[in-house]
Order: sequence, then C-alpha cells, then structure tokens
Amino acid sequence: SAVISQKPSRDICQRGTSLTIQCQVDSQVTMMFWYRQQPGQSLTLIATANQGSEATYESGFVIDKFPISRPNLTFSTLTVSNLSPEDSSIYLCSAGQGSIGELFFGEGSRLTVL
Amino acid sequence: AQSVTQLGSHVSVSEGALVLLRCNYSSSVPPYLFWYVQYPNQGLQLLLKYTSAATLVKGINGFEAEFKKSETSFHLTKPSAHMSDAAEYFCAVSDYFGNEKLTFGTGTRLTIIP
Repeated sequence: SAVISQKPSRDICQRGTSLTIQCQVDSQVTMMFWYRQQPGQSLTLIATANQGSEATYESGFVIDKFPISRPNLTFSTLTVSNLSPEDSSIYLCSAGQGSIGELFFGEGSRLTVL
Repeated sequence: AQSVTQLGSHVSVSEGALVLLRCNYSSSVPPYLFWYVQYPNQGLQLLLKYTSAATLVKGINGFEAEFKKSETSFHLTKPSAHMSDAAEYFCAVSDYFGNEKLTFGTGTRLTIIP
C-alpha cells in the first residue's frame, strides 16, 4: 500500500494568482495521477505525472494552465495557474504500484478562488 | 472510450437493510471494473475490483459486486447496512490498455437511516 500526503489541504486564492499543490508518497510508485473533483461531480483526470519528463494531459487540460512536475518516484506537484472562480475544486493526487486500477489517493486539496 | 454510469446520485437505506448501488459500464472490450469509497474528508479507497476472474467479487467491509456481461452491470451490494457505511461510492473502469488510469462514474452518496 501507499500513503499519500497532499499540501495544502485547503486554500483560498485570489483571481489571477497561482497555487501549487504538493503530493508526497511514502513509497516508490509507478504511476502518479492528478484528478479534479468539482462540486457535486465525479473525478476527472487532469494528467499523468511522468517521472523526469513532461506530464501526459487529458483532453481539455493543457500544460500552461496545469503545469506538473515529478522529479522522482515519490513526489509530484500540480500548479493551477491564472486562477479563476471556475477553478474552485478539490484536486486529488493518486498513485499506483503496478496493479491494474488499484490507486491510492490523497485526501485532496480544496481550492476556493475569489 | 470506456465509461461507467451510476444510477442514483443519492441512496438512503435503513440500518440493517440491503444496500444496492448500481453501475453500468460501456466498453468495446472486456473491462476491468472497480468500486471506490470516499468517507467524509478522506481520500478515495479501493473497495473491490473485477479483473476477469470470478464474476462475484468480494471486497472490504462486507461489500460485494457481481459482473454481469449480459446486463453490462457491476452493481455493489451489502446484505446489511451499518451506520459506518455512509459515504460516497464511485464505480470506475480502467482504460483500454488495462493500466492504472481510471474513468470514474458520477458517484452515489449513501445515507444510512438509524
């Protein structure tokens, strides 16, 4: 198993600023993902964080808006840039250890944009 | 693309009663299917998974799900609800390549009535 810690757990930001969310896993994992969970909606995959290379983004998400880093096997960051109220959401980090579909999730980072 | 549909965004059952949460999938190939649970203010946790072995899958906390190809369904059941089962439940399907990337349903919030 893996324990995932996310920081910050919640934040309130002003329009036009950026927020960087950190994700730390307590063991080496093969895959790391970033999801968005908007109020009353399901989880939407933003991107796969690739170690040492550019993240792989899903349709509708772009690197300029959601830059992602993954410098090693246990750490990743997601930045949400040029914030607008529509970015208010919970952002979830998840990771897998090679077993199909078995993901571990952090508790999420709740972002509110004013 | 693969997808899952969860019928009923909110389900309420009495303590001790049967829990039935519905999930139907759409896939052009045999899918891998999952149920995740999210307790309040916590990350998602894997409840059970189907990966083409036994069609009746048992998970944690007394939950089970049955894969029915003829009905394209993967409903989640528990014979007797407990107060601690109150949570949000998500059905999910892995993508075509059976890797760790998941597509989630819209979720069902389960309320237990004392």
